[in-house]
Amino acid sequence: EPEVTQTPSHQVTQMGQEVILRCVPISNHLYFYWYRQILGQKVEFLVSFYNNEISEKSEIFDDQFSVERPDGSNFTLKIRSTKLEDSAMYFCASSAGTGGPLQETQYFGPGTRLLVL
Amino acid sequence: AQTVTQSQPEMSVQEAETVTLSCTYDTSESDYYLFWYKQPPSRQMILVIRQEAYKQQNATENRFSVNFQKAAKSFSLKISDSQLGDAAMYFCAYRSQNSGNTPLVFGKGTRLSVIA
Repeated sequence: EPEVTQTPSHQVTQMGQEVILRCVPISNHLYFYWYRQILGQKVEFLVSFYNNEISEKSEIFDDQFSVERPDGSNFTLKIRSTKLEDSAMYFCASSAGTGGPLQETQYFGPGTRLLVL
Repeated sequence: AQTVTQSQPEMSVQEAETVTLSCTYDTSESDYYLFWYKQPPSRQMILVIRQEAYKQQNATENRFSVNFQKAAKSFSLKISDSQLGDAAMYFCAYRSQNSGNTPLVFGKGTRLSVIA
């Protein structure tokens, strides 16, 4: 069964460093998302991406964040200068498209656990 | 803005018994989807069950079923014949049906323990 994959599974970085989190969405999916979950808290939406541009972003997704689809398979989240409060689990998700519940269901990757020291 | 409330931070159930997790939501929309996701200790988010708001029939997936009450804006998850592997954090989530890439809105989750 196709699945969303994410690398790395864990990342430790120093405050102020740049990190790139990578995701490979399910191959025929057209919509991509990043969510984050600070330890012990609920999952929060960061950004959605469609047709090579951002569709929607939350207030969390400030200028320190950027997303890119550099090729036909990868979808990346870059944090330009990490802060302590960026420590969280970051989830990538993808969905097939519009037209019904199956196509619009979002499937999640296993997450990247980011720790900023 | 839509909100999702899970009023039970923790629940426990004996193995083989049935447990119900509560979820309520607030929306002014008529077309939307509701989901339950499971997050085991590995922290991966796994889709458990999905309900379309336009369907009156409650969704069922094997041992998992929902009680969807649209007028009351309630969406509870029932787990029958609970197994040790059901122990996890369970998140209720809402999604508008307006466009293809509307984000999910999550509740705070309910931690389910299964007692052998």
